[in-house]
Amino acid sequence: GAVVSQHPSRVICKSGTSVKIECRSLDFQATTMFWYRQFPKQSLMLMATSNEGSKATYEQGVEKDKFLINHASLTLSTLTVTSAHPEDSSFYICSAAPRGRDNSPLHFGNGTRLTVT
Amino acid sequence: KNQVEQSPQSLIILEGKNCTLQCNYTVSPFSNLRWYKQDTGRGPVSLTIMTFSENTKSNGRYTATLDADTKQSSLHITASQLSDSASYICVVSRSGGYQKVTFGIGTKLQVIP
Repeated sequence: GAVVSQHPSRVICKSGTSVKIECRSLDFQATTMFWYRQFPKQSLMLMATSNEGSKATYEQGVEKDKFLINHASLTLSTLTVTSAHPEDSSFYICSAAPRGRDNSPLHFGNGTRLTVT
Repeated sequence: KNQVEQSPQSLIILEGKNCTLQCNYTVSPFSNLRWYKQDTGRGPVSLTIMTFSENTKSNGRYTATLDADTKQSSLHITASQLSDSASYICVVSRSGGYQKVTFGIGTKLQVIP
């Protein structure tokens, strides 16, 4: 079945540093990938939509200069948390869907637990 | 406002018992509804997906129902197992592609021996 790989699964960084998270679709092409943030006991919150070859679309309240998204190929999107602060500590998840199949399930990565100290 | 509400928020059941989770939505125009299972610290995994014309869909011990008129869906789990302990998330999509999805907050299910 369709697999989305997310790396790293866990990262601890110091305040002020930047962290890059990768999301790869392993066996399908994804024109669009999505990045979410999930706080404990809460649902996934869409942060941004990553579009291959163009700028990402950010949800209201999400700082695009802080959460840099790059979707350089049909199988890879990256999220960089710049100048991380403790309040950025969260569970970040990406998802993707096979290109051209709007009614197929979204396939999620296994998430990245970010802890900023 | 497009919303997805799930109930109960949490549920504890004995292993082997059945349970039903509810999802009510106000998303419009409706495209499809998905149920996902999310283990703690992992990404969600799709269980079922239903479009407007589908009333019931099964995936092993999971059976989802959809009433598009009342905008309600349920997920029934039969003969629960300890491995069913997870959060179950209802996700409703509006017409227009993946960008227009609304997530429910999920129901946290705990199956105990």
